[in-house]
Amino acid sequence: ILNVEQSPQSLHVQEGDSTNFTCSFPSSNFYALHWYRWETAKSPEALFVMTLNGDEKKKGRISATLNTKEGYSYLYIKGSQPEDSATYLCALMFSGGYNKLIFGAGTRLAVHP
Amino acid sequence: DTEVTQTPKHLVMGMTNKKSLKCEQHMGHRAMYWYKQKAKKPPELMFVYSYEKLSINESVPSRFSPECPNSSLLNLHLHALQPEDSALYLCASSSDIGADTQYFGPGTRLTVL
Repeated sequence: ILNVEQSPQSLHVQEGDSTNFTCSFPSSNFYALHWYRWETAKSPEALFVMTLNGDEKKKGRISATLNTKEGYSYLYIKGSQPEDSATYLCALMFSGGYNKLIFGAGTRLAVHP
Repeated sequence: DTEVTQTPKHLVMGMTNKKSLKCEQHMGHRAMYWYKQKAKKPPELMFVYSYEKLSINESVPSRFSPECPNSSLLNLHLHALQPEDSALYLCASSSDIGADTQYFGPGTRLTVL
């Protein structure tokens, strides 16, 4: 069974704090990892697609790293703002000719002014 | 335009009703997806269409019937649903099947009475 774990389940931080959360996955048959940001009542928004071990991607104050050998990715938010409040989902695609995204349950981030 | 639209936003139906969910994209994407999300659970893949042909059916019950009438549209026909089918139904599209970013719609919140 291919399982994608995200931790923590939820997180409350103060405005200005930097924070990070984790996505863990089986390292065998890795193909690609996607990070999404999902605000309530809106569409999930694609943040990053990562495929190579050691990949680092950045978009404004948000960045992500990938370690495919040990099976984890970190998402970092620098200087959190209230508008960063959302659920952050990671999703994995594994090789083997089966083009399917397997999602984690997400980390719910609340940034308090 | 990176928008995927879904109608309706909310749907309440009885177990004997027949209804349809609609999804539309105008990004020229050739892969389209239906996902189901129950509360506090990860989105789960239901169907994948590639070049207007059904590519993946994740053993979904036949009371859900997908249809891709053209490259921009994806429908999900619902008939004789059960209360446990109540969920958020998300549509997504990508330029092709694979590691490409999937762009999501905001979902249809379905309640089956």
